[in-house]
Amino acid sequence: ETGVTQTPRHLVMGMTNKKSLKCEQHLGHNAMYWYKQSAKKPLELMFVYSLEERVENNSVPSRFSPECPNSSHLFLHLHTLQPEDSALYLCASSQATQGAEQFFGPGTRLTVL
Amino acid sequence: GEDVEQSLFLSVREGDSSVINCTYTDSSSTYLYWYKQEPGAGLQLLTYIFSNMDMKQDQRLTVLLNKKDKHLSLRIADTQTGDSAIYFCAERKSGGYNKLIFGAGTRLAVHP
Repeated sequence: ETGVTQTPRHLVMGMTNKKSLKCEQHLGHNAMYWYKQSAKKPLELMFVYSLEERVENNSVPSRFSPECPNSSHLFLHLHTLQPEDSALYLCASSQATQGAEQFFGPGTRLTVL
Repeated sequence: GEDVEQSLFLSVREGDSSVINCTYTDSSSTYLYWYKQEPGAGLQLLTYIFSNMDMKQDQRLTVLLNKKDKHLSLRIADTQTGDSAIYFCAERKSGGYNKLIFGAGTRLAVHP
């Protein structure tokens, strides 16, 4: 595997379910990001981990819980989501230096029923 | 505010030039980016420009930056059907880590 991978690619869940999204990067980066992409809206930065420490929590509801166990893996734990949380969730990684390019994964398409 | 604004849709004929426009708000932004997203894929960095430049050319791509008006454009020469995608403009906030503020994306449709 190369680059940034995300699993699953598609997820359908009910509002009472608990699920997790996984992101893995094989680029030797030490910063990782979660973004939410909704139709016709700007990409929203949700969380940033730099050197395995969370450095940004962009006013995200607590029903989204990130976890970064090491510099190569990033999770987004989901529980009691709402239908408006349906979106494409993108993971990205970069070097933890200013101006470093962010490399994106293909995203997980989440549908909350 | 932190708004980056783009028009949502652009349609061009194959072989013509495409110009995608973007306005941003933070005059202290140091880098401005153009990303491309093809269907079912993540974002791919196309090109970027440093804020002390006003033009950058890379093969078929030309980026123009008007820092006074906070206006960024991406010109694609000889547009091909493979250029059909969503194009995102983003600004990198000064200081701290690599926080990018994205626009909503411009969907480029190329027709024969």
